[in-house]
Amino acid sequence: AQSVTQPDIHITVSEGASLELRCNYSYGATPYLFWYVQSPGQGLQLLLKYFSGDTLVQGIKGFEAEFKRSQSSFNLRKPSVHWSDAAEYFCAVGRNSGNTPLVFGKGTRLSVIA
Amino acid sequence: EAQVTQNPRYLITVTGKKLTVTCSQNMNHEYMSWYRQDPGLGLRQIYYSMNVEVTDKGDVPEGYKVSRKEKRNFPLILESPSPNQTSLYFCASSLEQGRGYEQYFGPGTRLTVT
Repeated sequence: AQSVTQPDIHITVSEGASLELRCNYSYGATPYLFWYVQSPGQGLQLLLKYFSGDTLVQGIKGFEAEFKRSQSSFNLRKPSVHWSDAAEYFCAVGRNSGNTPLVFGKGTRLSVIA
Repeated sequence: EAQVTQNPRYLITVTGKKLTVTCSQNMNHEYMSWYRQDPGLGLRQIYYSMNVEVTDKGDVPEGYKVSRKEKRNFPLILESPSPNQTSLYFCASSLEQGRGYEQYFGPGTRLTVT
């Protein structure tokens, strides 16, 4: 079965600094990979997704993620963080066949300081 | 506007008093799902539905029931709530299950069982 690990429970960055949130997955074949963001008091919103093709994917709000098969990783990056990026971020993996649900990581909470 | 709605958004109840949390989507999605979110545990799937009259258990189904009589609605029923069901609940829908389709999330229902 597939699984997702987000090694960092909480990260604090300064506004304007770069950001990288880590995500490692376990799945035998090429997975479908997602990053979602949950702002305080809100539901989850899709930031970006990877199915195939170019391993660097662009998302909304200036985020990007890179799929690295050799490292089983799908890290989320942003070159310059804004205070409004403070939220919880979830990585999720889905299988590219069959009818199995998405598996979510436990999330990384991002705090942004001035 | 394409959306998933949940009601109520906040609910405080007592042990054993049956309750229903409604979920509705206006995107004609086949797949709907319920998750609970708890600190340190991320999102865990409770039940899902592939289509009308087709439902199946997720990872944590104990103490919950669901039904899917219409495509747009997928209520979550707690027949006899207990304090360990105090949680934040999310409903989600997607065009189909798996295969990388984006899940759209509702705003969440915060349930407290005393």
